[in-house]
Amino acid sequence: TQLLEQSPQFLSIQEGENLTVYCNSSSVFSSLQWYRQEPGEGPVLLVTVVTGGEVKKLKRLTFQFGDARKDSSLHITAAQPGDTGLYLCAGAKGGYQKVTFGTGTKLQVIP
Amino acid sequence: EAQVTQNPRYLITVTGKKLTVTCSQNMNHEYMSWYRQDPGLGLRQIYYSMNVEVTDKGDVPEGYKVSRKEKRNFPLILESPSPNQTSLYFCASSSRARGWQYFGPGTRLTVT
Repeated sequence: TQLLEQSPQFLSIQEGENLTVYCNSSSVFSSLQWYRQEPGEGPVLLVTVVTGGEVKKLKRLTFQFGDARKDSSLHITAAQPGDTGLYLCAGAKGGYQKVTFGTGTKLQVIP
Repeated sequence: EAQVTQNPRYLITVTGKKLTVTCSQNMNHEYMSWYRQDPGLGLRQIYYSMNVEVTDKGDVPEGYKVSRKEKRNFPLILESPSPNQTSLYFCASSSRARGWQYFGPGTRLTVT
């Protein structure tokens, strides 16, 4: 059973467009992380959110943790080709040792 | 430079031939994990370790073994590999306090 569902699975957009990726679960997580992975490399952490309702911004990326700590979203403003990659959400319950990853959203930004 | 290293990066082997994938981190992290990544299934945790001599099963532990005899090393052992273990494997480490996982570069394993 996949605890974290990401949508959409694939997204191809033009440079300059905005987009939102969703990460949903029926479970409550104590923290949620977003990673970006490029081909041939390991995932790289973008952000960790721990408080329900929390919003974090990283340049053109905005991350939100749902009030009930069951879902999260990633919004990218004015996407650029450098944003291309696989975006993964990951939830942890309790400590950080046991982490469940979502299935990922593959983003392609066309120049 | 803070890093997680894995070896080998690529491995082709035959069914039943025991193999070990090594993982080492230089950040003095307490937590280490092994994941496998398969198309459509995402990253799934195989085993994790909270400290030396403390390991526990993740979501897909069948067919794998691990050990944590030293804080920096966390090898993944496949005693009798099978074709369904063909996958991309990642090792990761994090500190107890921050949970910021650093991932290794990955090991692409093919079992024929």
